[in-house]
Amino acid sequence: DGGITQSPKYLFRKEGQNVTLSCEQNLNHDAMYWYRQDPGQGLRLIYYSQIVNDFQKGDIAEGYSVSREKKESFPLTVTSAQKNPTAFYLCASSIMGTGGFGGELFFGEGSRLTVL
Amino acid sequence: GQSLEQPSEVTAVEGAIVQINCTYQTSGFYGLSWYQQHDGGAPTFLSYNALDGLEETGRFSSFLSRSDSYGYLLLQELQMKDSASYFCAVRARYSTLTFGKGTMLLVSP
Repeated sequence: DGGITQSPKYLFRKEGQNVTLSCEQNLNHDAMYWYRQDPGQGLRLIYYSQIVNDFQKGDIAEGYSVSREKKESFPLTVTSAQKNPTAFYLCASSIMGTGGFGGELFFGEGSRLTVL
Repeated sequence: GQSLEQPSEVTAVEGAIVQINCTYQTSGFYGLSWYQQHDGGAPTFLSYNALDGLEETGRFSSFLSRSDSYGYLLLQELQMKDSASYFCAVRARYSTLTFGKGTMLLVSP
């Protein structure tokens, strides 16, 4: 089945460590996105990519980095510079650059990161 | 930039009808989307309105008034499984989707 796969589902990290969250899609979508979700805060955009080897910062990019070497893959690295990394991270994709045709994003099941 | 306002929580009983409102401020408005998210899960797309009026999809309907910068999601014949968070999201020119903070719907027996 086509979809978006995020891994790991749960991740624990010590302060000062970088961690990388994986996101793979087989929907042949051009655009991919990373969102952060905190209780009561909705979804906030970290980074997005409309094409391979290109990506743009979202609203809360500080302390995060991404790469887009393949169309199918858009990994997110949470660096030690991110001051409050404990959150639920969601990866999404769409068929067009900025929100997709009809505004439809397809989401993965998320990765929950806890910093100890 | 864009901003959206929606109620933080709505409660209703099984079989009832509930309306979740969303007001927005944006420039270059294209359309308004709605997403459903069950606790700890992936948000899923429900509807998209680019033009004024009501769009119906089964028990769910979505309405948009561009002149009032306002939309709502209408859920009919509520079921327990409809308990979830509902997000409105605005699509604007040269911009990715911007999400509201979400409305938690609690359906009781």
